[in-house]
Amino acid sequence: DGGITQSPKYLFRKEGQNVTLSCEQNLNHDAMYWYRQDPGQGLRLIYYSQIVNDFQKGDIAEGYSVSREKKESFPLTVTSAQKNPTAFYLCASSRGRDKVHEQYFGPGTRLTVT
Amino acid sequence: ELKVEQNPLFLSMQEGKNYTIYCNYSTTSDRLYWYRQDPGKSLESLFVLLSNGVVKQEGRLMASLDTKARLSTLHITAAVHDLSATYFCAVDIWETSGSRLTFGEGTQLTVNP
Repeated sequence: DGGITQSPKYLFRKEGQNVTLSCEQNLNHDAMYWYRQDPGQGLRLIYYSQIVNDFQKGDIAEGYSVSREKKESFPLTVTSAQKNPTAFYLCASSRGRDKVHEQYFGPGTRLTVT
Repeated sequence: ELKVEQNPLFLSMQEGKNYTIYCNYSTTSDRLYWYRQDPGKSLESLFVLLSNGVVKQEGRLMASLDTKARLSTLHITAAVHDLSATYFCAVDIWETSGSRLTFGEGTQLTVNP
């Protein structure tokens, strides 16, 4: 089955710790995205990547970092510099440039930092 | 900066009734997407709208796009309880770094028996 996987589904961390969220896709998509969703709100773009070894900041990149070493993988690190990291994190992918940009979403990771 | 506004943000309706959700956006784009989100779950793609005047229907939902008015609508016909969810529109814009979506705030729909 083709799709996007995110792990873990739930993650609990203490304040001051860095944490890495996994996102893998086997759809052969070029583009990948990370969003944050807070309760009762829409999605806000953190980082996105159109090709391997390249990525751009979205609207709320401060306190986050990413890497894109493989086409299939786009991990997100939530650093201790992120002031309010508790949220629902969604990863998405799409076919990329010059193609229909419908984004397909993973199941999400719910991060709680105390 | 692109702004995407949905209204209403909250919608409570009775089964069997019709209603329309509106999505307005502030800059030129001819690509708009509608998604559904159930509580605690991820987003599911509903409609892909890629040109002015396009109308698409799936079951009790119908979506349209007017790029001149920068407006998309999601019309619900004869609502049923299973349609209760949050609905998001998202507008696709090109930047030098590639394509990215900007989402509306979402419309939380509750269909009551």
